[in-house]
Amino acid sequence: NAGVTQTPKFQVLKTGQSMTLQCAQDMNHNSMYWYRQDPGMGLRLIYYSASEGTTDKGEVPNGYNVSRLNKREFSLRLESAAPSQTSVYFCASSSLVGQGNGYTFGSGTRLTVV
Amino acid sequence: GESVGLHLPTLSVQEGDNSIINCAYSNSASDYFIWYKQESGKGPQFIIDIRSNMDKRQGQRVTVLLNKTVKHLSLQIAATQPGDSAVYFCAVTVGGSNYKLTFGKGTLLTVNP
Repeated sequence: NAGVTQTPKFQVLKTGQSMTLQCAQDMNHNSMYWYRQDPGMGLRLIYYSASEGTTDKGEVPNGYNVSRLNKREFSLRLESAAPSQTSVYFCASSSLVGQGNGYTFGSGTRLTVV
Repeated sequence: GESVGLHLPTLSVQEGDNSIINCAYSNSASDYFIWYKQESGKGPQFIIDIRSNMDKRQGQRVTVLLNKTVKHLSLQIAATQPGDSAVYFCAVTVGGSNYKLTFGKGTLLTVNP
């Protein structure tokens, strides 16, 4: 089925460890996004990529880096994980020109940093 | 910047009743609005959208109403069913596109049998 695929679904890290969350979409969307979701905080934008070759900071970028590897893939890296980064992470994609139904979200990565 | 808030963080209704979930936004330039449904353990799922040149849009059992004068958005669910139990988010953006949505904090809808 077409959509957004995130890996892994669950991860436990120790403080200071690094990891990369992977995201791929097969809808030929131009834009991709990484959000984190915390209880009572809604969805907050970490980084986004308006189109292949560009990335920009969102609302809460500190402690994260991203790579838009190609049009399909957008990865999120935690260089030195902290307990404050315990959250559920969602990748999403959209077409730039306002066509289609908003964002398509992946099923999320539940990350726990101990 | 844009801020988006919901009037009630939780809503409990009886099966078969109509549900109304409200959302307020701050930026008068916002021109594209979307409602999402998020079930437990899943990513948000598109329900319905509306552009600023419209006041009302209907889907299957859902209606979105937009009042640009007071910057208010609502989602109405007719004949609410247990499967409608979820968190509902509104999202808004400027520029008429999907680009860089700002999300509200969500309303948890519980449907009682």
